[in-house]
Amino acid sequence: GENVEQHPSTLSVQEGDSAVIKCTYSDSASNYFPWYKQELGKRPQLIIDIRSNVGEKKDQRIAVTLNKTAKHFSLHITETQPEDSAVYFCAASKVTGGGNKLTFGTGTQLKVEL
Amino acid sequence: EPEVTQTPSHQVTQMGQEVILRCVPISNHLYFYWYRQILGQKVEFLVSFYNNEISEKSEIFDDQFSVERPDGSNFTLKIRSTKLEDSAMYFCASSVLGGDTQYFGPGTRLTVL
Repeated sequence: GENVEQHPSTLSVQEGDSAVIKCTYSDSASNYFPWYKQELGKRPQLIIDIRSNVGEKKDQRIAVTLNKTAKHFSLHITETQPEDSAVYFCAASKVTGGGNKLTFGTGTQLKVEL
Repeated sequence: EPEVTQTPSHQVTQMGQEVILRCVPISNHLYFYWYRQILGQKVEFLVSFYNNEISEKSEIFDDQFSVERPDGSNFTLKIRSTKLEDSAMYFCASSVLGGDTQYFGPGTRLTVL
């Protein structure tokens, strides 16, 4: 089955700096890669996703890049703010036209310091 | 904006007891999922459900677990005889038919004593 690895497990940045979180996946058939932000005790919230027919996607301060050959994808947050502090999870799935099982990474605790 | 809802927010039960966790998916969604997250760990897939049938289940989803869509709005997860290791946050999620974006509910924290 699919296996997703995520690094780093913790990341501390100064406000205004950029943050990069990296994930690798094992199943070359995976074609959908979402990123979720989870604040303490809250639900995972989708912040951005990318499909395998695209190499990069950007939404304001957040961007995701995908390298299908190397089977890795990354989340980039620019101009970080204290409210970006949370746990970020990457995930991978194989969308077949029906439902899809998400396989999550182990999470990155991002702390944005003032 | 419509959201997935879950009840209860917190359930405390004794080992060996049955629990039912309830979810109301987004109304036009047809695929439903349960995930669990043990404290401090990653989110793990349990089961997906479509057209009143299980589509896929993980190795965690053994005979002690079952899912049901008892009516047009609710989606339930039943654990027949809870174990200490079932203590976790259980998230329901839903997606549109053929879609890939899953929307998560707020979760039910299950504590087994």
